[in-house]
Amino acid sequence: SQQGEEDPQALSIQEGENATMNCSYKTSINNLQWYRQNSGRGLVHLILIRSNEREKHSGRLRVTLDTSKKSSSLLITASRAADTASYFCATDSSGNTPLVFGKGTRLSVIA
Amino acid sequence: IAGITQAPTSQILAAGRRMTLRCTQDMRHNAMYWYRQDLGLGLRLIHYSNTAGTTGKGEVPDGYSVSRANTDDFPLTLASAVPSQTSVYFCASSETGGRGGRFFGPGTRLTVL
Repeated sequence: SQQGEEDPQALSIQEGENATMNCSYKTSINNLQWYRQNSGRGLVHLILIRSNEREKHSGRLRVTLDTSKKSSSLLITASRAADTASYFCATDSSGNTPLVFGKGTRLSVIA
Repeated sequence: IAGITQAPTSQILAAGRRMTLRCTQDMRHNAMYWYRQDLGLGLRLIHYSNTAGTTGKGEVPDGYSVSRANTDDFPLTLASAVPSQTSVYFCASSETGGRGGRFFGPGTRLTVL
C-alpha cells in the first residue's frame, strides 16, 4: 500500500522557473525522504527531513514538512534541463515498517 | 566497485526458469533491500535485510527469496519465474538502522515470457 502520494503526477516548466512538488501521507512518520530518478537509472537520495523539522535546504532544493497536515513539498529553484527526472517521496514510519515510496512526479524542464 | 552493483543489467527469461539477481555493495552498509518498479505502481519492497544473517519480507515477497550470508552481497532468487515478475528490480542499501537514505543500484530489467 502506498503511504506517500505525490502531486502532481507530471509537471512541465521552462528552464529558470521554480518547480514545486507535493507529497501527502497517511500515518505518523519518523522522517520523510525525497529521491530523484533519471530515466533508466536508479534512485538518488536528495534530502531527508525529520518529523521534528519544518524546513530543510540543500543547494537549490528546499523541503518543507507539515506534520499536522501530513504533507511535504519539494521546491527546486531556478530549474535546469538537467533537473528533468522523476521525483519520489518516501516515508519512514514508526516501528519496523520499511520505507514506503510514492508513485512519483515526472518533471520536465524545457530549455 | 563504488557503491552498489547489480547483475545482470537486463535479462529475458522463459517462464518457469530459475533466476538469481545479484547485488553487491562496498560501503559496509548493514541494511540492504530489494525493490521492484512497475509503471503506475512506483517502487514496492520485496525483501530486506537489516544485517548479515537476517532477512525480512516486504510488501510483495511471494515468488521471491533472498539470503544474506555476508555484509556485501544480497542476491534475489526467483525460483520459478512468471510473467507477472516482469519488472525493473533495484537493490539498495543504507547505514545501520535503516532510518537514513537509501543508496540504489542501477537496476536489472527482467522480462519473463
